[in-house]
Amino acid sequence: EAGVTQFPSHSVIEKGQTVTLRCDPISGHDNLYWYRRVMGKEIKFLLHFVKESKQDESGMPNNRFLAERTGGTYSTLKVQPAELEDSGVYFCASSQDRGGTVDEQFFGPGTRLTVL
Amino acid sequence: LAKTTQPISMDSYEGQEVNITCSHNNIATNDYITWYQQFPSQGPRFIIQGYKTKVTNEVASLFIPADRKSSTLSLPRVSLSDTAVYYCLVGDRARTGGYQKVTFGTGTKLQVIP
Repeated sequence: EAGVTQFPSHSVIEKGQTVTLRCDPISGHDNLYWYRRVMGKEIKFLLHFVKESKQDESGMPNNRFLAERTGGTYSTLKVQPAELEDSGVYFCASSQDRGGTVDEQFFGPGTRLTVL
Repeated sequence: LAKTTQPISMDSYEGQEVNITCSHNNIATNDYITWYQQFPSQGPRFIIQGYKTKVTNEVASLFIPADRKSSTLSLPRVSLSDTAVYYCLVGDRARTGGYQKVTFGTGTKLQVIP
């Protein structure tokens, strides 16, 4: 079974540009999460989808970040316009709803974003 | 969200048992304790999860005392490939979906020495 995949693995852009990160969760996983680690800091929760609906987006830093999950399959995270402080590693994770128990999250390898 | 505190780093020789303790004094009634492992340039990987007492799987054991204010991850006979960062997470449990809004702390960097 394929794991969570993320594209690209690394992106280097200039301040003010737009970047779109993609995450393909494990097939059949309704839950999809985005996290990020900025340099030297802890991994922080950004948001959570259940199928195509945003369940919790309390971790999104500001309105320059837009996450979508059309059709409830893959998800994209767009940063527009990118700022220097957006540099870091963006992780995606997915999980299967087990009907009441706390689920195990499967993480992708991350996308390293560098904003110059 | 409950805050966790764990050692920043630990060293261990190959073949030894490693115990990493995590403090979570403000753990809530519905919170579960989960440990993840992360290798460089990879995403975190689930190791083990528990609510109370002891949980064991093929990789590790998790010990949780009755007050649940701490937990200990035990790795038996570590090898060089166990060198990684280990995160202790205590998550809120959503009312719907059962998902765990995980909050990562600083983690413990385990270095296994030959």
